[in-house]
Amino acid sequence: DAGVIQSPRHEVTEMGQEVTLRCKPISGHDYLFWYRQTMMRGLELLIYFNNNVPIDDSGMPEDRFSAKMPNASFSTLKIQPSEPRDSAVYFCASSQTTDYTFGSGTRLTVV
Amino acid sequence: SQKIEQNSEALNIQEGKTATLTCNYTNYSPAYLQWYRQDPGRGPVFLLLIRENEKEKRKERLKVTFDTTLKQSLFHITASQPADSATYLCALGVISNFGNEKLTFGTGTRLTIIP
Repeated sequence: DAGVIQSPRHEVTEMGQEVTLRCKPISGHDYLFWYRQTMMRGLELLIYFNNNVPIDDSGMPEDRFSAKMPNASFSTLKIQPSEPRDSAVYFCASSQTTDYTFGSGTRLTVV
Repeated sequence: SQKIEQNSEALNIQEGKTATLTCNYTNYSPAYLQWYRQDPGRGPVFLLLIRENEKEKRKERLKVTFDTTLKQSLFHITASQPADSATYLCALGVISNFGNEKLTFGTGTRLTIIP
């Protein structure tokens, strides 16, 4: 298995633009998580899905953030409009039981 | 308020010695605790899980202890090597408001093994 695949690896965008981050989880994993990592706040859970259904989105910072999982092999995290304070590394992770497998992350820079 | 604290941001250890990292938490009742390793530019990688009813877990040169009374976990790397240099994250498995378990992470300790 290729692991959790995220794209793009790096994204630089201007404030106000829409940004879409993509994730392909490991086949067979029922859970998918989106985390954000910054120096100040560490890894923060934004939202997670179980069997493609959003379960807990209490970590989504604002209405500008949205996430979808249209099928078991694909999820997106969208920020619209983006702001400089959204700059961070965004990780997707999937799991079947208790331990998570993380992707390599998308480094987002909003200028 | 709920907190997960890892003993220090950075820790330098001489090669061959035992590195000990600490994870303390407050106002959580975790079902389990996990340790992850993160290298620069990469996502965290799972190392070990220890459940609330377990005192100690070992895997090769790694050892984890879990004291639910002290609300603390210790992570040991014996016979440390420069290749062990990385950031180590502890994570608590907690029940969310929606009844599912989810991982909440500490901010990590950056470990450097000095040759």
